[in-house]
Amino acid sequence: EPEVTQTPSHQVTQMGQEVILRCVPISNHLYFYWYRQILGQKVEFLVSFYNNEISEKSEIFDDQFSVERPDGSNFTLKIRSTKLEDSAMYFCASTPREDTGELFFGEGSRLTVL
Amino acid sequence: DAKTTQPPSMDCAEGRAANLPCNHSTISGNEYVYWYRQIHSQGPQYIIHGLKNNETNEMASLIITEDRKSSTLILPHATLRDTAVYYCIVRVSSGSARQLTFGSGTQLTVLP
Repeated sequence: EPEVTQTPSHQVTQMGQEVILRCVPISNHLYFYWYRQILGQKVEFLVSFYNNEISEKSEIFDDQFSVERPDGSNFTLKIRSTKLEDSAMYFCASTPREDTGELFFGEGSRLTVL
Repeated sequence: DAKTTQPPSMDCAEGRAANLPCNHSTISGNEYVYWYRQIHSQGPQYIIHGLKNNETNEMASLIITEDRKSSTLILPHATLRDTAVYYCIVRVSSGSARQLTFGSGTQLTVLP
């Protein structure tokens, strides 16, 4: 069964460093998303991406964040200068259609900012 | 402003049916009920969704009351691997992913 894959599974970084989290969505999917979950808190929407541009973003997704689809398979989330409060699980998701509520999530990347 | 209300936790014996309730008394006519689950910090997993008819798939059944103000997710034969947080979400059919809002959910613990 096709699945969304994410790397790394866990990254530890120093505050102020840049981090890139990578995702390989399901191959025939067209819509891509990043969510995050701070430990013990709710899963929060960050951004949606379609046709090589951001289609929607939340208030959390400020100028420190960026997303990119550098090639035909990868979808990345970059945090330019990490802060302690960026420590969280980051989940990538994809869907074949925008109007479906059935998102396919990856296993997540745990980011720890020291 | 929560659109759904779920009990924070429930237990279920292994092999028995797990019935997870959700109240969505302010649901609109064009809003679907979605269920996801999250097993111990893994990515959320879609389970099932419905509008007004009962739905069944290989994972679960969804029973929606006639007035659509509440629903129940049924796992017919719960296993230990079904221990997870279960999220009930209401969303318009044409809505964006941002509108798939995860609340606190119900922590289901399946006991041996």
